Amino acid sequence: DSGVTQTPKHLITATGQRVTLRCSPRSGDLSVYWYQQSLDQGLQFLIQYYNGEERAKGNILERFSAQQFPDLHSELNLSSLELGDSALYFCASSVGPSIDTQYFGPGTRLTVL
Amino acid sequence: GESVGLHLPTLSVQEGDNSIINCAYSNSASDYFIWYKQESGKGPQFIIDIRSNMDKRQGQRVTVLLNKTVKHLSLQIAATQPGDSAVYFCAGETYGGATNKLIFGTGTLLAVQP
Repeated sequence: DSGVTQTPKHLITATGQRVTLRCSPRSGDLSVYWYQQSLDQGLQFLIQYYNGEERAKGNILERFSAQQFPDLHSELNLSSLELGDSALYFCASSVGPSIDTQYFGPGTRLTVL
Repeated sequence: GESVGLHLPTLSVQEGDNSIINCAYSNSASDYFIWYKQESGKGPQFIIDIRSNMDKRQGQRVTVLLNKTVKHLSLQIAATQPGDSAVYFCAGETYGGATNKLIFGTGTLLAVQP
């Protein structure tokens, strides 16, 4: 158990819909990272928040957004969902703002029908 | 563009043998690398990391070797066990403007035969 929690574990929705994925980092970690893992793209970095502020951006679509709240939990919002958005979404956390060991949550499996 | 990739997509070894998983990277300025293990249905799990001021680092049954000259790193697992069966990812730090991020390789599936 990494100490990072994610909810829900599974999510099934339809195209065009909007969903919110939630992540709670390990106690004491201030950085939260979001990754997308699909069969054909591997593990892709989406975005990082550090202590409530956006820190780094990766290959995140404009339809996707994220935020980190004062209690340090984070939410990833996916809107106007497409079939290709079906994937595993992982959250990871680390202590500081810089690249360091990241501890991953169990992931949310999103299926868009 | 930046890339961190793996030589072998699948590696099959006998239980008790040593395993070597390879990874190549393209950014010569990267100075931090991590190996992750991902079991089926789970998130990636940290195994070991190494910074560019080192060429070798050892953990419990695992060793990471870094060759900066040819931009290559490897993960060695000693006395491979069935529980080692998983996908192994290397990840390297890459620079994106003011901030850095980790780029992950595509993964190698390690299959341990009893």
